[in-house]
Amino acid sequence: LAKTTQPISMDSYEGQEVNITCSHNNIATNDYITWYQQFPSQGPRFIIQGYKTKVTNEVASLFIPADRKSSTLSLPRVSLSDTAVYYCLVGGAYSGAGSYQLTFGKGTKLSVIP
Amino acid sequence: DAGVTQSPTHLIKTRGQQVTLRCSPKSGHDTVSWYQQALGQGPQFIFQYYEEEERQRGNFPDRFSGHQFPNYSSELNVNALLLGDSALYLCASSSVSGLTYGYTFGSGTRLTVV
Repeated sequence: LAKTTQPISMDSYEGQEVNITCSHNNIATNDYITWYQQFPSQGPRFIIQGYKTKVTNEVASLFIPADRKSSTLSLPRVSLSDTAVYYCLVGGAYSGAGSYQLTFGKGTKLSVIP
Repeated sequence: DAGVTQSPTHLIKTRGQQVTLRCSPKSGHDTVSWYQQALGQGPQFIFQYYEEEERQRGNFPDRFSGHQFPNYSSELNVNALLLGDSALYLCASSSVSGLTYGYTFGSGTRLTVV
C-alpha cells in the first residue's frame, strides 16, 4: 500500500482558499487518490476521488500532477464548519481488487479562524 | 435513508472484561468494516465482513472478533480488555463492489477501559 505524507496541521482564516498537499511517491499505476473529512466525534466522510489531472465537485477540487507523486486538495472559501481532519488515501478505486481496507494516515488537522 | 447506526455511543469497561459493539449498515450496503481510532490517530482497519464471513483482517490480535448477521448488521467483540483498547470504534458499510469512495462511516462507539 502506498504511503502518504501530509502536514500535521494547518490554520486558515474564514473566506480563504485552503490547499492541503499530500505526497505519495510510490503510488501504483492502478491507485486512485481519495480524500476523507472527519469532524470530532464523527466517522470520516468521503470528499473527493481522482486518478489524474483535476477533479471538482460541489465541495472541493483535487489537483493531481502528471507524475501523480503528490496531490492537492483545494477547499474554496473555507468557513468555521470546515474545521476538521482531512485524510489523503491512496489505493485501488475498488477495494475488492486485492485489498478491502482503507488505509488512513494521521491526516491534516485544519483549523479555520474567524 | 438511514446511514450507519452504531450502538452504544459510549461505554466504560474494566480491564479484563469483554465488550460487544453493534453496527447496522446503510440501506443497500452488504459489507461491514470495523476500524479502531486512537486519540490523535487515523482509523486503523480491524476487519471486514461480507456474506457473514471475515474477508480480510488487519493487524489486530485474536481478542478482536466479529460477526455478521443475515440482515448484514455486525458485531465487534473484544475479549480481555486492555487499557490500550480505549478508542473510538468505527463501523463502515459499503457494497460488495467495494468502491473506495462508497464507504459510509457511523459516528462510532467511544470505549474507555479503566
